Amino acid sequence: NAGVTQTPKFQVLKTGQSMTLQCAQDMNHNSMYWYRQDPGMGLRLIYYSASEGTTDKGEVPNGYNVSRLNKREFSLRLESAAPSQTSVYFCASRRDRGSGYGYTFGSGTRLTVV
Amino acid sequence: DQQVKQNSPSLSVQEGRISILNCDYTNSMFDYFLWYKKYPAEGPTFLISISSIKDKNEDGRFTVFLNKSAKHLSLHIVPSQPGDSAVYFCAASDRRALTFGSGTRLQVQP
Repeated sequence: NAGVTQTPKFQVLKTGQSMTLQCAQDMNHNSMYWYRQDPGMGLRLIYYSASEGTTDKGEVPNGYNVSRLNKREFSLRLESAAPSQTSVYFCASRRDRGSGYGYTFGSGTRLTVV
Repeated sequence: DQQVKQNSPSLSVQEGRISILNCDYTNSMFDYFLWYKKYPAEGPTFLISISSIKDKNEDGRFTVFLNKSAKHLSLHIVPSQPGDSAVYFCAASDRRALTFGSGTRLQVQP
């Protein structure tokens, strides 16, 4: 039972480079999320997808794009990386909207932009 | 403007004593409140939650209290154990997504 799998675990990019962070869940969850965690700031929502085929902006969407490829996969793309995007990125999924629990998080991708 | 606040960045307690972690929120539309525990290099793991219509939820050593009038919740850990040492995040759900506080680092001294 893998849960939420994120790849890669670590990445170093040069300013201006692009990359895609991958996320897949095997729990048949409807909703998927991308968060970033910066020191002293907790986790902030970048984008989310309430169901296959839909995506919505969160608190800090600038500089990112997302694709809900199918029910299992939700990718996050940085088109032109900036040092301000150095962070730890977490993907999460949830079965039902409105649930007070059931969020499962991946182990994170540590991204450094130099 | 932070909708969920954890004003104590760190807390240190002795093994066997009570740990109390606090959280304040501003949005009255939140319908669930959750606590997550996080170890370094791992994702957050769910600990305990409480509905906005309740004032207390208990699960083993962990109890969460909600004071809606004060927009305040707290997590009590009794007794505290060294394995509880981690960063604890308070989070609130508005049916769309979770909004997190900045976290409190708990250190339980043997």
